[in-house]
Amino acid sequence: GQQLNQSPQSMFIQEGEDVSMNCTSSSIFNTWLWYKQDPGEGPVLLIALYKAGELTSNGRLTAQFGITRKDSFLNISASIPSDVGIYFCAGQVGDYKLSFGAGTTVTVRA
Amino acid sequence: ETGVTQSPTHLIKTRGQQVTLRCSSQSGHNTVSWYQQALGQGPQFIFQYYREEENGRGNFPPRFSGLQFPNYSSELNVNALELDDSALYLCASSPDPDYGYTFGSGTRLTVV
Repeated sequence: GQQLNQSPQSMFIQEGEDVSMNCTSSSIFNTWLWYKQDPGEGPVLLIALYKAGELTSNGRLTAQFGITRKDSFLNISASIPSDVGIYFCAGQVGDYKLSFGAGTTVTVRA
Repeated sequence: ETGVTQSPTHLIKTRGQQVTLRCSSQSGHNTVSWYQQALGQGPQFIFQYYREEENGRGNFPPRFSGLQFPNYSSELNVNALELDDSALYLCASSPDPDYGYTFGSGTRLTVV
């Protein structure tokens, strides 16, 4: 089946820092999605990407759909404490299932 | 409030029992998917329904089954529960899957 490799597995952020995470796949996807999940909640959609090479922003978040259609990255600029949580990439082929990565856990550095 | 409501929020069952989890989606969300999320992992696709018909299934055995109703609610049924079925079960719905899904907060199932 389709497997997404998400890195890093975890990261510590200091308020004000820029952070970056990425996702690679052995398969091609038509859509890349980035979700954030807080404890006790379901994933919340942050950014959706629909075309190879597309660069999309949502506030302090920027994501890109790789030109090979097998990768994507997410950047968070000027991080704030509420950015902590688990970030998931997900790829979609056709009109149904999402294939998720294992997540990047973002924690505030004390 | 995401517009997708799941019940119950937590549940404890004994191995071998059967369980029904419920999801209520927004009006117009004709597509509903169910995912299993084990601790420390990303969600894994179980199956999807469109207008009350199953139209996609992941690598889950037949003891995982579902129903979708005309009022935009749906159910996930799991028979003969196993310890490994312990997980967060997520419902996701969409009016058009091309533009993403809205997830509920999930049901935390513990099998003992």
